[in-house]
Amino acid sequence: GEDVEQSLFLSVREGDSSVINCTYTDSSSTYLYWYKQEPGAGLQLLTYIFSNMDMKQDQRLTVLLNKKDKHLSLRIADTQTGDSAIYFCAELTGGYQKVTFGTGTKLQVIP
Amino acid sequence: IAGITQAPTSQILAAGRRMTLRCTQDMRHNAMYWYRQDLGLGLRLIHYSNTAGTTGKGEVPDGYSVSRANTDDFPLTLASAVPSQTSVYFCASSDDRDRGPRGYTFGSGTRLTVV
Repeated sequence: GEDVEQSLFLSVREGDSSVINCTYTDSSSTYLYWYKQEPGAGLQLLTYIFSNMDMKQDQRLTVLLNKKDKHLSLRIADTQTGDSAIYFCAELTGGYQKVTFGTGTKLQVIP
Repeated sequence: IAGITQAPTSQILAAGRRMTLRCTQDMRHNAMYWYRQDLGLGLRLIHYSNTAGTTGKGEVPDGYSVSRANTDDFPLTLASAVPSQTSVYFCASSDDRDRGPRGYTFGSGTRLTVV
């Protein structure tokens, strides 16, 4: 079955890099996602990576995918206070039919 | 602005009362979903609908019902609310044609407190 796990909390200083990690168990995942949830708001798609890629970079965001270890990470360079939010890892499985979300990692950026 | 509208934004409800959470999208997405978000548990799927006229059960469907009479609307009904249904409820939608790269679009949520 599918299970997506993340640590619950991460605290970093403004200007440092943040790395949020995620592990998943379904080897048939096709797309893997990172969503951002700001306080009092819904989830917004931040970035995604297709399963045949190892890395994807988008401005300050770098996504790394290790399919062998079923490990996904999100690196945020030069973390800003506006990056404070909950970040959800998610995977698309079951022939494009189902997205499973992790428990979310709350990122706190200290000025 | 294209997206998902949820109503109400928040609600305090007496236990045993019936409540319908509304969700409307204007993107003509075929698939819609209802999730609940609880601290430490992430997002759990309640019900989903792959297309108008069809619905399915998710991970935590008990105590909830849905209907999908048309493409745009996907209401979630609590027939007789209980305190354990206190949560933040999110409606989401996706399009089969580009679900992969676009993922899901989420509404801003309904915060429900059952007392």
